[in-house]
Amino acid sequence: AQSVSQHNHHVILSEAASLELGCNYSYGGTVNLFWYVQYPGQHLQLLLKYFSGDPLVKGIKGFEAEFIKSKFSFNLRKPSVQWSDTAEYFCAVIPFSGGYNKLIFGAGTRLAVHP
Amino acid sequence: DAGVTQSPTHLIKTRGQQVTLRCSPKSGHDTVSWYQQALGQGPQFIFQYYEEEERQRGNFPDRFSGHQFPNYSSELNVNALLLGDSALYLCASSTGQGAREQYFGPGTRLTVT
Repeated sequence: AQSVSQHNHHVILSEAASLELGCNYSYGGTVNLFWYVQYPGQHLQLLLKYFSGDPLVKGIKGFEAEFIKSKFSFNLRKPSVQWSDTAEYFCAVIPFSGGYNKLIFGAGTRLAVHP
Repeated sequence: DAGVTQSPTHLIKTRGQQVTLRCSPKSGHDTVSWYQQALGQGPQFIFQYYEEEERQRGNFPDRFSGHQFPNYSSELNVNALLLGDSALYLCASSTGQGAREQYFGPGTRLTVT
C-alpha cells in the first residue's frame, strides 16, 4: 500500500538551529510531493510543493525541500529556525493514478522552537 | 477572497446518530476533497468530488457519503456514528481534474459520545 513515513514525531530546537525533517514515501511511479504546516490554532497551509523539474524546491518562510528519487525521499530543511516556526509539519504525496489524485499524508512532526 | 470555509466548527453527537458537515470551496475552485484527521495522526483521504460526482474514494465504509452541489459546495454525511468517528474533518478545495494543489479549510471537530 502507498504510504508516507515521517521519521521524527517530535523535534525540539533552539532558535537559530538548523532544521531537517525526514520524509520517505512508498510508491514506484510518478509522484507529486508536498509539505504542509499547521500553526497552533490555524488550518493546514501549503509550505512548498514539487511537481517536476529542479529537485530542490523553495517554499515560504525560508523553507526548502529536496526530492531524491532514488531514495524516495523529500526532506524539509531550514537553515535557521525561529520561535514562530513552532508548528506541526506534514509531508504528503500524490501518486499519479489515472488523473484523479488524493493526498497521502504522513503522521506529522511536531516542532517546538525555544527562544 | 474567501478561502475554504467549513461549518460547523465543533459538533457533539451520540453514538448511532447521523451528522452532516458542510464545506464551501475557495473562489474559483471546482473540486472538493474530504479528509479525516484523528488525534495525533495525519489526515486520511475520505473521498473527492468533481462535477457533482464522487471521483475517488479512500478506505472508508459506506456510512460515509457525500454530495457536491452545482455551486461546488459539498457535504459530508456520516451515518450510524461510532466512537471511532471522533476526529477533525477537513475539507480541501482545488481546481481541475488533477486536483494537485489543495487548499484546506479550518475543519470541523466532531466528538462522538
